[in-house]
Amino acid sequence: DVKVTQSSRYLVKRTGEKVFLECVQDMDHENMFWYRQDPGLGLRLIYFSYDVKMKEKGDIPEGYSVSREKKERFSLILESASTNQTSMYLCASSLPLDGYTFGSGTRLTVV
Amino acid sequence: AQSVTQPDIHITVSEGASLELRCNYSYGATPYLFWYVQSPGQGLQLLLKYFSGDTLVQGIKGFEAEFKRSQSSFNLRKPSVHWSDAAEYFCAVPESTGGFKTIFGAGTRLFVKA
Repeated sequence: DVKVTQSSRYLVKRTGEKVFLECVQDMDHENMFWYRQDPGLGLRLIYFSYDVKMKEKGDIPEGYSVSREKKERFSLILESASTNQTSMYLCASSLPLDGYTFGSGTRLTVV
Repeated sequence: AQSVTQPDIHITVSEGASLELRCNYSYGATPYLFWYVQSPGQGLQLLLKYFSGDTLVQGIKGFEAEFKRSQSSFNLRKPSVHWSDAAEYFCAVPESTGGFKTIFGAGTRLFVKA
């Protein structure tokens, strides 16, 4: 069964910490995405990547960075976590112009 | 610019009743269209997709959707709802430029009553 795996389901971090969220897909997909989901705000795209070492800013990239050193892995980095980054983070992958396969999500709480 | 509108924030149906969730899109050409479902605390799962051809598309879990170009709609339907269908449903369309990004609707939360 093909899938997208996010390393943690729940994470609690302190303000100011550097946080790494890892995402791995086993479908050889070119495209990978990071979204955050907040009540009333829907899905908001943080960053995406269409190839190894390529990255593009989404709608809300401030405070985040990403890394894609291998095709199957796309990491989201919170450089200095803040309480307003408490959210559900969703990773997804896809072929071009195709539907997405999402991971189960990481619920991050920054205290 | 492309957009996706789901007019209903939430809908309540009785178990066994039929369901229709509305989706309207704005797109310059014939779009690719998708429906996703999200159970509480989970990621989204692709229910079905429309690329071309037959305008009635069958998906997983007994869902179907119909593409109507004249109405710019892609409504999701199920003839008989089960309690396990309670979830949030998202309609989506790729951006026309490049196809790397997808525009998601705001979602419709489905409640199922016994």
